[in-house]
Amino acid sequence: QKEVEQDPGPLSVPEGAIVSLNCTYSNSAFQYFMWYRQYSRKGPELLMYTYSSGNKEDGRFTAQVDKSSKYISLFIRDSQPSDSATYLCAMSGRGGSYIPTFGRGTSLIVHP
Amino acid sequence: DAMVIQNPRYQVTQFGKPVTLSCSQTLNHNVMYWYQQKSSQAPKLLFHYYDKDFNNEADTPDNFQSRRPNTSFCFLDIRSPGLGDAAMYLCATSRDKPPRETQYFGPGTRLLVL
Repeated sequence: QKEVEQDPGPLSVPEGAIVSLNCTYSNSAFQYFMWYRQYSRKGPELLMYTYSSGNKEDGRFTAQVDKSSKYISLFIRDSQPSDSATYLCAMSGRGGSYIPTFGRGTSLIVHP
Repeated sequence: DAMVIQNPRYQVTQFGKPVTLSCSQTLNHNVMYWYQQKSSQAPKLLFHYYDKDFNNEADTPDNFQSRRPNTSFCFLDIRSPGLGDAAMYLCATSRDKPPRETQYFGPGTRLLVL
């Protein structure tokens, strides 16, 4: 079992839809959770960063962490064609696991 | 405004011909990382430097080497590229060690091995 599991998709939605992207993980030491967006042939860029459990909102994006279920989510409201990209989750913890471990990414396509 | 710069963006090499990829940063960050990312896969950490302290991942092939001559620059050397080394190579930096310090990625160098 991989430490971080993420469905590769693709996930295709119409413009304006609410998108839900998810990751599950197995390492209970993870405490820091990140979502990156990666456009085709570009490097990942950080979207959201949360510590421990709870929700964090930034504009149209909401990150949610449920440590008891080892499950994290990224919600995108009012999705736009410009949101079409691959979304990677990443997570890290203290001590030896401080380097983030990435998921494989979910490809999102928002069509007009 | 480019903060993490990678050159070249595309590199074509021949099987077995050494190749060097470069990364520079204007952020004055202490930590620099090299990742390998194959299509539809998670970025795989190859090495990282905490200042001059080099850290090699256990499963990084010996074929891959790295140099960090100063704070701003880091190089990835592939001594004898094989077809399986074709991938996107991502350089990243962070001000200090994660997890509190987040990583900033460059645009990547796409390597093609013929």
